[in-house]
Amino acid sequence: QKEVEQNSGPLSVPEGAIASLNCTYSDRVSQSFFWYRQYSGKSPELIMSIYSNGDKEDGRFTAQLNKASQYVSLLIRDSQPSDSATYLCAVKPLYNQGGKLIFGQGTELSVKP
Amino acid sequence: GAVVSQHPSRVICKSGTSVKIECRSLDFQATTMFWYRQFPKKSLMLMATSNEGSKATYEQGVEKDKFLINHASLTLSTLTVTSAHPEDSSFYICSAYGGTASYNEQFFGPGTRLTVL
Repeated sequence: QKEVEQNSGPLSVPEGAIASLNCTYSDRVSQSFFWYRQYSGKSPELIMSIYSNGDKEDGRFTAQLNKASQYVSLLIRDSQPSDSATYLCAVKPLYNQGGKLIFGQGTELSVKP
Repeated sequence: GAVVSQHPSRVICKSGTSVKIECRSLDFQATTMFWYRQFPKKSLMLMATSNEGSKATYEQGVEKDKFLINHASLTLSTLTVTSAHPEDSSFYICSAYGGTASYNEQFFGPGTRLTVL
């Protein structure tokens, strides 16, 4: 079992819809969770971090964390074609104090006009 | 978010030459820097972790004599690809981690695209 799993997609949604990206992780004691966006040919860009159970909202983005289910998701409201990118879920294990992250393989999102 | 720069952004070199890539954290002190490589349409692959003033920790399967990492200060780390070959052609990305409440995430540089002819 991979430590961090994402559906590779592609996930295709129409413009204006809600895009839902999901991620599961295997290490139950993980504490920190991150979502990065990576456009084709570019490096990853941090868009959300979440540390506590529940929802965290930032503009059109909402991160949801459920530690009991070992599940973290990212919702993108009012999706735009400019949101088309690969979204990487990353988890920082509790045992690692040096900032090392475990990345999922990424979910490719395509927002159709 | 924090700003991390990488130089050069793109390099083309002949087989057998060495290439040095610089990674700088511009507005915070990075206790740790990470080096990744990424092939087209593939996931990020962590190559090594470097802490200022100490030897880098390499991931399994990464040749430490091939990929030399130096972390001379809290704002600068370098990756040198020695005797580069075409199979080393890839997108190399660094990230910096501050380890403080304000910088508790990894911030990525823009990446360096290496092409070895």
